[in-house]
Amino acid sequence: NAGVTQTPKFRILKIGQSMTLQCTQDMNHNYMYWYRQDPGMGLKLIYYSVGAGITDKGEVPNGYNVSRSTTEDFPLRLELAAPSQTSVYFCATDSNYEQYFGPGTRLTVT
Amino acid sequence: AQSVTQLDSHVSVSEGTPVLLRCNYSSSYSPSLFWYVQHPNKGLQLLLKYTSAATLVKGINGFEAEFKKSETSFHLTKPSAHMSDAAEYFCVVSGGSNYKLTFGKGTLLTVNP
Repeated sequence: NAGVTQTPKFRILKIGQSMTLQCTQDMNHNYMYWYRQDPGMGLKLIYYSVGAGITDKGEVPNGYNVSRSTTEDFPLRLELAAPSQTSVYFCATDSNYEQYFGPGTRLTVT
Repeated sequence: AQSVTQLDSHVSVSEGTPVLLRCNYSSSYSPSLFWYVQHPNKGLQLLLKYTSAATLVKGINGFEAEFKKSETSFHLTKPSAHMSDAAEYFCVVSGGSNYKLTFGKGTLLTVNP
């Protein structure tokens, strides 16, 4: 089992560009999450999903969108990239109060 | 509402000496508490979790934590530090009817030879 996979690992965007961060899990978990990690700030929840077709906002959703058409996939969309979105993004799934994290996507917006 | 405070942003120890990483929490519910570790340029890995069973929780790599409700604390300890323990550690609280986690800001552990 691969667990939680994320693509790409690194990306540089120009201001105003858009992109989708991909997240796939093969653990058949219903719960999935997107976090961003900024230095010295811990992880902040962007969006989460409790199952296919159901998503909800987390703590810092502005500037992002998500969809959940299947159990496996939970992509995160940035429509108009801004320098404030420079961060490391982690996708995670949850089972029995244990979250499993992907390796992360390091995004720079210049 | 829930929150986590990690009392030290950076802890430095010598190899072979004890490790103490401090965490206080607040929660409106009976909390579940976790410690995660993040090695450089890696994702997060669960070290241990408390979910209302035994108050002394043992985790991987010799780490353990004690849930103290009266002190609202969940400090992480290890008797003897190893060089491979150098990493960032996050205390995390979960409570209520959903599975949302609240992360502390992290404690960077440095282990000196």
